[in-house]
Amino acid sequence: KAGVTQTPRYLIKTRGQQVTLSCSPISGHRSVSWYQQTPGQGLQFLFEYFSETQRNKGNFPGRFSGRQFSNSRSEMNVSTLELGDSALYLCASSFSASGANEQFFGPGTRLTVL
Amino acid sequence: KQEVTQIPAALSVPEGENLVLNCSFTDSAIYNLQWFRQDPGKGLTSLLLIQSSQREQTSGRLNASLDKSSGRSTLYIAASQPGDSATYLCAVSRGNTPLVFGKGTRLSVIA
Repeated sequence: KAGVTQTPRYLIKTRGQQVTLSCSPISGHRSVSWYQQTPGQGLQFLFEYFSETQRNKGNFPGRFSGRQFSNSRSEMNVSTLELGDSALYLCASSFSASGANEQFFGPGTRLTVL
Repeated sequence: KQEVTQIPAALSVPEGENLVLNCSFTDSAIYNLQWFRQDPGKGLTSLLLIQSSQREQTSGRLNASLDKSSGRSTLYIAASQPGDSATYLCAVSRGNTPLVFGKGTRLSVIA
């Protein structure tokens, strides 16, 4: 059974640009959650999607947005990039609600903003 | 607001030693607790999931316990190996809410 996949694995952008990250969950999983990981703040929740609907949202500015498609694949977008957006972005999938079931994480996308 | 703390932040042990990693949380109304392992620059690997009704879970050399009333969980690693070197994270959830993570314990097992 294939795991969670994320593309691209690495990205380098400059301030002011926008970026789109993609996540494909494990087959059969309907929930996708996104997290930002930085050395200072640790893992912080961005948002969760379930059956194409945003179920939960973390405390991030509106520059961070996401969506989920009918095949459960999810994308997150960050507009007007800032230096502080440099981080490892992780997505996780689970069968149903993110907090009720075991979550499985992808390898992450390393975003560097110059 | 749920807060998760992991102590110590870093730990170095000789190969073969048994060790315990600690995780504490402020709100005991959790649905489950999950332990993860993260290698440098990589994603998280799920190790063990403990439902709130359970006291412990075991997988190979790993044993995780949960004491909801005291807001604590421990991850016991038996006969540690250099390959166990990684950062170990615990996370809790209320079921309808996202996971809340601790900042992890960075473990080094010295050969």
